[in-house]
Amino acid sequence: EIVLTQSPGTLSLSPGERTTLSCRASQSVTSSYLAWYQQKPGQAPRVLISGASSRATGIPDRFSGSGSGTDFTLTISRLEPEDFAVYYCFQYGTLPLTFGGGTKVEIK
Amino acid sequence: QLRLQESGPGLVKPSETLSLSCSVSGGSISSRSYYWDWIRQPPGKGPEWIGNIYYSGNTYYNPSLKSRVTMSVDTSKNQFSLRLSSVTAADTALYYCARHKGEEAVDIWGQGTMVTVSS
Repeated sequence: EIVLTQSPGTLSLSPGERTTLSCRASQSVTSSYLAWYQQKPGQAPRVLISGASSRATGIPDRFSGSGSGTDFTLTISRLEPEDFAVYYCFQYGTLPLTFGGGTKVEIK
Repeated sequence: QLRLQESGPGLVKPSETLSLSCSVSGGSISSRSYYWDWIRQPPGKGPEWIGNIYYSGNTYYNPSLKSRVTMSVDTSKNQFSLRLSSVTAADTALYYCARHKGEEAVDIWGQGTMVTVSS
């Protein structure tokens, strides 16, 4: 299976800051079938980005995704209070589908 | 708008079988475009994809759980189900049903149901 490693584990940031989250795959992700999810306490994950760089419907443009092969990033250009959450990457190109371990973005 | 709702016991004894159902509303489970997934998330950890089922009954199970997992679909009730046998405390998790379209990301999730394995 493809193992996804996210870094860092935790980011302590202030509203308004820019941040980049990393997701590295143990082997190439087929056709850049890589998604990013945001999860807040008590809620199911919500898809932000699919196909490595396509924003899902209704997702603000401060969220952007990039990368291919084995290295992917999620960038939040300017953190809003509602963006403090846990972020997961997810590859859906190769069975079994797999998630990364997550990056928590917390308020500094 | 499509909605998914999990149901089932919140407490299961070790060595017994966990059984959950997912009711689909606002759309048909028989759509040829979609796969129906089960995903679980242990407390404080990341999600784990358990497997999926197609309306025809075709399944794919995560090899890590394959020996214990059975999924089924009931198109007349517009629902699908998960059975996980021989559970241990390691199976304690929030269980989600979800949907994805072909080669696309999981886009719709249920609210999740917490299952605790304990005697």
